[in-house]
Amino acid sequence: AQRVTQPEKLLSVFKGAPVELKCNYSYSGSPELFWYVQYSRQRLQLLLRHISRESIKGFTADLNKGETSFHLKKPFAQEEDSAMYYCALLGSSNTGKLIFGQGTTLQVKP
Amino acid sequence: DGGITQSPKYLFRKEGQNVTLSCEQNLNHDAMYWYRQDPGQGLRLIYYSQIVNDFQKGDIAEGYSVSREKKESFPLTVTSAQKNPTAFYLCASTTPQPLRSGNTIYFGEGSWLTVV
Repeated sequence: AQRVTQPEKLLSVFKGAPVELKCNYSYSGSPELFWYVQYSRQRLQLLLRHISRESIKGFTADLNKGETSFHLKKPFAQEEDSAMYYCALLGSSNTGKLIFGQGTTLQVKP
Repeated sequence: DGGITQSPKYLFRKEGQNVTLSCEQNLNHDAMYWYRQDPGQGLRLIYYSQIVNDFQKGDIAEGYSVSREKKESFPLTVTSAQKNPTAFYLCASTTPQPLRSGNTIYFGEGSWLTVV
C-alpha cells in the first residue's frame, strides 16, 4: 500500500534552532517524494522534491531508501518558516496518484 | 491571469442534500485532483483525473462523485451518502505525467463545506 506518515502534528522550536520534520513512507517500488508548505492564509505550494536535490529557503531533504524516510531539515529556523508542512509521495506506476501525509505544523518562536 | 479557481469559498448544506463544488483551471493541465483536508489527518485524495472523460477513485471516494467532461473543469459532488462531509476541500491540477518530469502541482484556494 502507498502511505506517507508524518509522526509529529506539531513541532515547536526557537528561532535559530535546527529543525527536522519527519516523513516516513511505505511503497514497494521507486517512489518520488515531495515536501509541500502551506503558509497561513495561502495556497499549498511545492517546497522541494527529492529528484532535484535542491535546497529551498535553506531546507533540504534526503531520500533514505533503507529507512524509507524523507525528513526535511533546516539548520537554523526562522520565524517566517512557521507553517504547515506536508510530505507527499508519487508512486512509480505513473498513475498520477499523489498521496500526502498528515502534515506537521512548524511553530518557530522568537 | 492563469490559475485554479474553486467556488464557492464557503458553502453550507443541509443534511440529506447533494452539493457540487466547482474547480476550474486555465493552465491547460490534463491532470486534476480533489483532496479533503481535515485537522490532524492532512490531505486525503478523493478522486483524480489524468485526462478528459476519465477519472479514478482515490482513498476516500465513498459518498463523492466527479465528472471530467471538459479539460478545464473537474467538479466534485458531495452526496448525501457522505457521512461526515464537513471539511475543507482542495482542488489541484498539473500537466500529464508531470510530477515525474519535474513539473509541479498547483492548488486552488479551497472550499469550506459545512453541513448544518
